Amino acid sequence: GAVVSQHPSWVICKSGTSVKIECRSLDFQATTMFWYRQFPKQSLMLMATSNEGSKATYEQGVEKDKFLINHASLTLSTLTVTSAHPEDSSFYICSARDRDRGDAEAFFGQGTRLTVV
Amino acid sequence: DAKTTQPTSMDCAEGRAANLPCNHSTISGNEYVYWYRQIHSQGPQYIIHGLKNNETNEMASLIITEDRKSSTLILPHATLRDTAVYYCIVRVRNQGGKLIFGQGTELSVKP
Repeated sequence: GAVVSQHPSWVICKSGTSVKIECRSLDFQATTMFWYRQFPKQSLMLMATSNEGSKATYEQGVEKDKFLINHASLTLSTLTVTSAHPEDSSFYICSARDRDRGDAEAFFGQGTRLTVV
Repeated sequence: DAKTTQPTSMDCAEGRAANLPCNHSTISGNEYVYWYRQIHSQGPQYIIHGLKNNETNEMASLIITEDRKSSTLILPHATLRDTAVYYCIVRVRNQGGKLIFGQGTELSVKP
């Protein structure tokens, strides 16, 4: 299947700093990517839909000024957690669909474990 | 997208078939049934999807009832590596692509 790569796999940052997470589709082009957050023992929660060349669409309750999303190319979307606080510590996961296979399943990255200290 | 209901957890003996049920009684005619799984601390992995016919691939089989109100994912010979949380999701094909995850079933395969 198609490969979606996230970087970094894990990151520890100090409270108040910003952290950028990258999501790349390695062997296909994705006009749309999705960002999820997952707390321990919980399911994945969709945060936002990242659209190439346009603004992201955020789910209700997700602060767009705190979670900045940029989808500058057909293979890269980035999520920046600004002014991170300990409560932002979570597992962040991206997914993407192949734009040339309209009905294809979404592929997921391996996730990024963020710890804010 | 239609809501799904799955058991919170299940156990299965290694080498036996694992049958994971999913109820989606409010599914619409144009909604597909998708199954994903998430092994601990990894991203979800696509398993299989279907509309109304039963489907089989190298990972699993998907059995959808005739009225489409429920389905069963079958792992024919479960291994310890199949221990994961399994998510059943229904969504309209080609509609933006976003997947909304429920709580899933935590499958434990035991030796």
